[in-house]
Order: sequence, then structure tokens, then C-alpha cells
Amino acid sequence: DQQVKQNSPSLSVQEGRISILNCDYTNSMFDYFLWYKKYPAEGPTFLISISSIKDKNEDGRFTVFLNKSAKHLSLHIVPSQPGDSAVYFCAAYDYNNDMRFGAGTRLTVKP
Amino acid sequence: EAQVTQNPRYLITVTGKKLTVTCSQNMNHEYMSWYRQDPGLGLRQIYYSMNVEVTDKGDVPEGYKVSRKEKRNFPLILESPSPNQTSLYFCASSLSKSSGGYNEQFFGPGTRLTVL
Repeated sequence: DQQVKQNSPSLSVQEGRISILNCDYTNSMFDYFLWYKKYPAEGPTFLISISSIKDKNEDGRFTVFLNKSAKHLSLHIVPSQPGDSAVYFCAAYDYNNDMRFGAGTRLTVKP
Repeated sequence: EAQVTQNPRYLITVTGKKLTVTCSQNMNHEYMSWYRQDPGLGLRQIYYSMNVEVTDKGDVPEGYKVSRKEKRNFPLILESPSPNQTSLYFCASSLSKSSGGYNEQFFGPGTRLTVL
């Protein structure tokens, strides 16, 4: 039972355009959300996070939006760069401090 | 440099031959965890440890053992590996929740295991 779902296995965008990666969750007890980025042959690295008391968090080119009523969050990358090409994992913490990950979305940014 | 290291990075073995994947962190983190990554399933937690001598099962613990005798090390042991344990394994560490708030996990580079 996957409590965190990333329904798009892959996404391709042109350099300079916006990349939007989506994530849905089913557990209403999740109250902290993170995005991790993973390059081939490396471990995931933390990118950005958001608490459930917020609906937006911005860090440079990266913005995460949270819609609690829809149990949906998204990661926006503007402008997208070829170096952003990676697999992006959505993750969520519940009140027990257990983290759940989505299956990942492979982003390809074309020059 | 703050990091989580894993060894080996790649391993091919045969069914039933015991193996250990080591994990070490130099950030004095209390919390350590093992995940496996499989296509379409994301990262699933195998075991975790809140501190020295404290370990607990994650979502997919069957066929695995762990130990936490020292704060920096958290080895993953497969006593009798089987082909369904062929996967990409990640070790991670973080400050514990007792430190306040939620803490990002730092991941090792991964160990790709193939069990024939």
C-alpha cells in the first residue's frame, strides 16, 4: 500500500521552461514533506521541504506547493537546467517520524 | 566532509551465502536506517535504529538483520540471501526526532546487490 504516489514515472522539458513534478499522498497524518533528488550512482540528496502548516516554500529556482485538502504537493523548477536532470523522490513524515517515499519521477531537461 | 559511506558499492553473490553491507556516518547522528529501492516502488525501509543498541523493523524486514553497537556504524546482514533480495540498497542517517522537529536524512551512495 503506497501512501505516497508519484504517478508520472518520467517528465521531459526544454531548458529554460518550468518543470512541475507532482506527488499525491493518502495518509492524512503526514505533516512534513520533502523532495529528494537523485543522480545515477549516487544516493538521494535533500532538495526542499515543507511543513503542513504552510502551502508554499521557495528556495531559489525550486518551489514546493502543498494542497492539504487535495493531499497533493508539487515541485516547480524555474527555469529548468540540464543539470536538473535526475530522479526526484517525494517523501512524507508522519507523527511517528516514519518517512514514506514515492516511486520517483525521472526528469530530463533538454538543452 | 560530512558523509555516509557504504561498502561494497557493488556485489554479486549466490543464494544462501551470508553477506554484510557496511554503513558508517561521521555526523554523530542518532538515527540510522536502511532502505531498498526497486523499480516502481521507490525507497522502502528495511530496518532503522534510533540510537546505539536500539533497532526496529521497517516495512520490509524479512530476510535481513542489523546491529547498532556503535553510533557511527549500522551494518546490514543478509544471513541467507535469495534472488528476491536483488536490489539497490541505501543507508541513511539523521538527527533523531528528540532533537526537535523533522530532520532530513543523509543518504549513502548505494550498494547494488545481485543474488544469483
